Amino acid sequence: GAGVSQSPRYKVAKRGQDVALRCDPISGHVSLFWYQQALGQGPEFLTYFQNEAQLDKSGLPSDRFFAERPEGSVSTLKIQRTQQEDSAVYLCASSFWDRGNEQFFGPGTRLTVL
Amino acid sequence: DAKTTQPNSMESNEEEPVHLPCNHSTISGTDYIHWYRQLPSQGPEYVIHGLTSNVNNRMASLAIAEDRKSSTLILHRATLRDAAVYYCILRDGTTGNQFYFGTGTSLTVIP
Repeated sequence: GAGVSQSPRYKVAKRGQDVALRCDPISGHVSLFWYQQALGQGPEFLTYFQNEAQLDKSGLPSDRFFAERPEGSVSTLKIQRTQQEDSAVYLCASSFWDRGNEQFFGPGTRLTVL
Repeated sequence: DAKTTQPNSMESNEEEPVHLPCNHSTISGTDYIHWYRQLPSQGPEYVIHGLTSNVNNRMASLAIAEDRKSSTLILHRATLRDAAVYYCILRDGTTGNQFYFGTGTSLTVIP
C-alpha cells in the first residue's frame, strides 16, 4: 500500500508569502504528526492530531503556524507571512493509533524562504 | 522530556557489526526506547523499540542495560545502505504521542 505522501516536495517562497503544505497519511491511520527539521538537526515536534482533533500544538513556533485536519485524513500545515527562519524540511508522520509504537514518515517538504 | 545522548558520528566497515550507543540517564519507568534512522533526503524510518528486555527484529537488535540508563543498537552486518543518521528517542508510554529527536549519530559505512 501507499505510504505517507507530502506535497509539494519543494517550495520556494518570498519572505512574507503564505504557504500551505499538504500531508496524505496512510489510509486508516488515526494519528498524524508534523515535525520541522532544520539543516543538520533532528526533527522537532510541531503538532499532533488524533482524527480531526488537534490534541497538541505545543511545538508550533509562533501564531503564524497553523495546522488542520478537518476530515481526519489529509492534513495541511499553513505558514503565514513566512520568514527566513522558517526555511526547513517539514515532515509529516502517521500512526495507526495514538500510542502506536511506529510512526510512518513522509519524504518531507523542503521550504526555502528567500 | 527525557533526553538522550549519542555520539555525533561513527564509522564501520562493510559487513562488520556496528554498535551504536545511547545514554538516557534520566529515563523514567514508563519511557519506551525507540530507534529511528534517516537516510539522506528521506523521512525517518522505524528501526526497533523496547522497554526493558532486549529486542530483535529483521533489521537490528536492541540491547538495554539492566538499569535502563543506556542502550545499544546493533546492526549485525553493516551494508552501504545502512549509512544514515540514527536517532535514539524516549517516548513516555503513558502520555507521549510525539517523539523528541536529538541530533543522532551519523553512521558512515566504509566499503
